[in-house]
Amino acid sequence: DADVTQTPRNRITKTGKRIMLECSQTKGHDRMYWYRQDPGLGLRLIYYSFDVKDINKGEISDGYSVSRQAQAKFSLSLESAIPNQTALYFCATSVGRTGSYGYTFGSGTRLTVV
Amino acid sequence: GENVEQHPSTLSVQEGDSAVIKCTYSDSASNYFPWYKQELGKGPQLIIDIRSNVGEKKDQRIAVTLNKTAKHFSLHITETQPEDSAVYFCAVNSGGSNYKLTFGKGTLLTVNP
Repeated sequence: DADVTQTPRNRITKTGKRIMLECSQTKGHDRMYWYRQDPGLGLRLIYYSFDVKDINKGEISDGYSVSRQAQAKFSLSLESAIPNQTALYFCATSVGRTGSYGYTFGSGTRLTVV
Repeated sequence: GENVEQHPSTLSVQEGDSAVIKCTYSDSASNYFPWYKQELGKGPQLIIDIRSNVGEKKDQRIAVTLNKTAKHFSLHITETQPEDSAVYFCAVNSGGSNYKLTFGKGTLLTVNP
């Protein structure tokens, strides 16, 4: 099984619908992140969480919300999806201790909003 | 916030040649500089990283160099092979206790057989 699992892998949804992307990890990492990837724009941070009670906005959080249900689970929600939220979404984790900054990424969720 | 510039956006080389990708950053407090490789249909994977107390790090055919004064770092791939073809991202952490990464926009490397 993958260390960081994202579901679904692909999703097509209609404008205005609410959708949730899920991420779970078996690495025991404290920190979890949601990034969005668009062609030519790289990876941009949406939200991040350093532990269950800590949620922080990233650079592009408008239109998104998150929930850290447990140390191992971090969900991203689009309350009312719009076409410009069509993108590849990645969840990532990191240990959080000083000197251990490397991220482990999931395989991504390709979201299309029509 | 941190600003990371990555060049070039695309790079095509012949098998066996070297490839170099460069990144510049703005936050002088940054102290961690990883490189990620993303193959088609997969998430980015860490391939090498360097910390600010080191000027160069090498792992087989891959090396990273860091110039903290000039605020730039580079990925060097020698003896390129077709399986090196992928998108490569540089990243930089924010200093202090907030260790989230800011990524460059990526470089599509194509190694032609």
